[in-house]
Amino acid sequence: KAGVTQTPRYLIKTRGQQVTLSCSPISGHRSVSWYQQTPGQGLQFLFEYFSETQRNKGNFPGRFSGRQFSNSRSEMNVSTLELGDSALYLCASSLGTPGNTIYFGEGSWLTVV
Amino acid sequence: GQNIDQPTEMTATEGAIVQINCTYQTSGFNGLFWYQQHAGEAPTFLSYNVLDGLEEKGRFSSFLSRSKGYSYLLLKELQMKDSASYLCAVSPTRNSGNTPLVFGKGTRLSVIA
Repeated sequence: KAGVTQTPRYLIKTRGQQVTLSCSPISGHRSVSWYQQTPGQGLQFLFEYFSETQRNKGNFPGRFSGRQFSNSRSEMNVSTLELGDSALYLCASSLGTPGNTIYFGEGSWLTVV
Repeated sequence: GQNIDQPTEMTATEGAIVQINCTYQTSGFNGLFWYQQHAGEAPTFLSYNVLDGLEEKGRFSSFLSRSKGYSYLLLKELQMKDSASYLCAVSPTRNSGNTPLVFGKGTRLSVIA
């Protein structure tokens, strides 16, 4: 079956703009998590959605937001982009119960100039 | 708090065996995961341990000691393609239900000829 699909794969934005990233989870998976990965910080958890509700949230400013649709697809939005937002944004899906394996998408590479 | 430690970098020779250690301190425990991430790519699932002991899967094995908060990933018969970052992640618990995986910063393994 198809894996986790993220779009777009690469994008360049200017400071102050906003960006929306999309994620389609593995069929049957109801949990979608978003992570930011940078060379210095590793994988940082942004938030998790389960059945259209945000279930967990990491320590990121309010400029970072997300949502999940009834078909489990998810989007994340970053407003008022800063240079430090340049990173690989990874989406991961799972069945959503403790101990379940999460499976990552290929990621969206965001460069803010 | 949650804390996961693993070495930043390791180098090993093609054909050899390498052990990547991971120690963790988390609130509760629902299992420990190892992921492999090649440069510029998404992390891919390698193994999951929830009970003490060794899990073997081909050239890769993973060990867990819950009482010591310790795990290792053992890679045998190293190949050049094993050059990658290896991420240790723990599934913690909390009273309110599912919590996101906590990731270490990863160990960058270089396999040399």
